[in-house]
Amino acid sequence: QKEVEQNSGPLSVPEGAIASLNCTYSDRGSQSFFWYRQYSGKSPELIMFIYSNGDKEDGRFTAQLNKASQYVSLLIRDSQPSDSATYLCAVNKEGAQKLVFGQGTRLTINP
Amino acid sequence: DAGITQSPRHKVTETGTPVTLRCHQTENHRYMYWYRQDPGHGLRLIHYSYGVKDTDKGEVSDGYSVSRSKTEDFLLTLESATSSQTSVYFCAISEWVNEQFFGPGTRLTVL
Repeated sequence: QKEVEQNSGPLSVPEGAIASLNCTYSDRGSQSFFWYRQYSGKSPELIMFIYSNGDKEDGRFTAQLNKASQYVSLLIRDSQPSDSATYLCAVNKEGAQKLVFGQGTRLTINP
Repeated sequence: DAGITQSPRHKVTETGTPVTLRCHQTENHRYMYWYRQDPGHGLRLIHYSYGVKDTDKGEVSDGYSVSRSKTEDFLLTLESATSSQTSVYFCAISEWVNEQFFGPGTRLTVL
């Protein structure tokens, strides 16, 4: 079992709808969780992080964390074509000096 | 990624030759990381550094070595390149281990 798992997609969502991206992790000692966006041919950029159970909102983005079920999700409201990218989930264990990344989910927003 | 540069940005080399990739930062961040990214595998950590002359292995360190003699520079060396090391290499930096910021990447092709 991989430490961090994501559905590789592609996930296709119509413009204006909510895109929902999911990530599960295997280590219950994981403490912090990150979402990166990566456009084709570009480097990953950090868009959200969450440490506590529940929801965290930032503009059109909402990160959700459920430590009991070991999953973290990213919701994108009012999806735009510019949101089309690969979204990477990353997890850090307390005391560890590194992140573990999932393989990424490719998201396409259709006009 | 204005504070992180990678050189070269593209390189084609032959099997068996040594290759060195350079990551340079102007942010004075403590942590520096080298990742490789391949289709279907996401980002995989090769080596990382938590200070000058302090380095540790990641999950795919075989065939790679690193050095960090100054805060701003982190070098990745392939002692004898193989075709399996054809990949896109990303450097990342962070002050706090969690929030990593990525450089523009180096595309390496080993023939």
